[in-house]
Amino acid sequence: EAQVTQNPRYLITVTGKKLTVTCSQNMNHEYMSWYRQDPGLGLRQIYYSMNVEVTDKGDVPEGYKVSRKEKRNFPLILESPSPNQTSLYFCASSLSMAALDSGANVLTFGAGSRLTVL
Amino acid sequence: GDSVTQMEGPVTLSEEAFLTINCTYTATGYPSLFWYVQYPGEGLQLLLKATKADDKGSNKGFEATYRKETTSFHLEKGSVQVSDSAVYFCALSAVDSSYKLIFGSGTRLLVRP
Repeated sequence: EAQVTQNPRYLITVTGKKLTVTCSQNMNHEYMSWYRQDPGLGLRQIYYSMNVEVTDKGDVPEGYKVSRKEKRNFPLILESPSPNQTSLYFCASSLSMAALDSGANVLTFGAGSRLTVL
Repeated sequence: GDSVTQMEGPVTLSEEAFLTINCTYTATGYPSLFWYVQYPGEGLQLLLKATKADDKGSNKGFEATYRKETTSFHLEKGSVQVSDSAVYFCALSAVDSSYKLIFGSGTRLLVRP
């Protein structure tokens, strides 16, 4: 089954304790992205990747890191989490950004990771 | 910059009622437009899309028409069901260098039996 898999689905942690949220897709997609969802704000892009070893900042990158060493994986790293990073996080992928722009392909989302930082 | 504005929720309807969720957008180019749906505890799923002016996207009884003159993409359904209860997001593809979908803030729909 074609899917985007995120782990963990739920996590409660404390300020300053480094954590990684993994994201993996099995569709050979070039484009991957991380969003955070907060009440009243919709989804905001954190980072995106056009392909292996190509990443760039989205709208809210502060406090996050990413890497894209393999096409299928795009982990989100919180080096020193703070309470304002408490949120629902979504990983998403698409065949390519060009296909996404044209509507030829769509963004496929993972089920989400709910993170609470105390 | 590009943006999407949705009507605020929650929207509460009785089963079989008519649904409209308003969505307007601001964009410098000619973006593709999307409606995504998020059921409780799940990720977002594409509901429908339209890639050019006057296109109508449809799926599962939902429809939306890409209106360039009014920069709108309103979601409609003639008869809602309890199973349609979810959060609905309008989105556009950013055609500049942003390389992302821009989402509205979401509208929660609650359908009562």
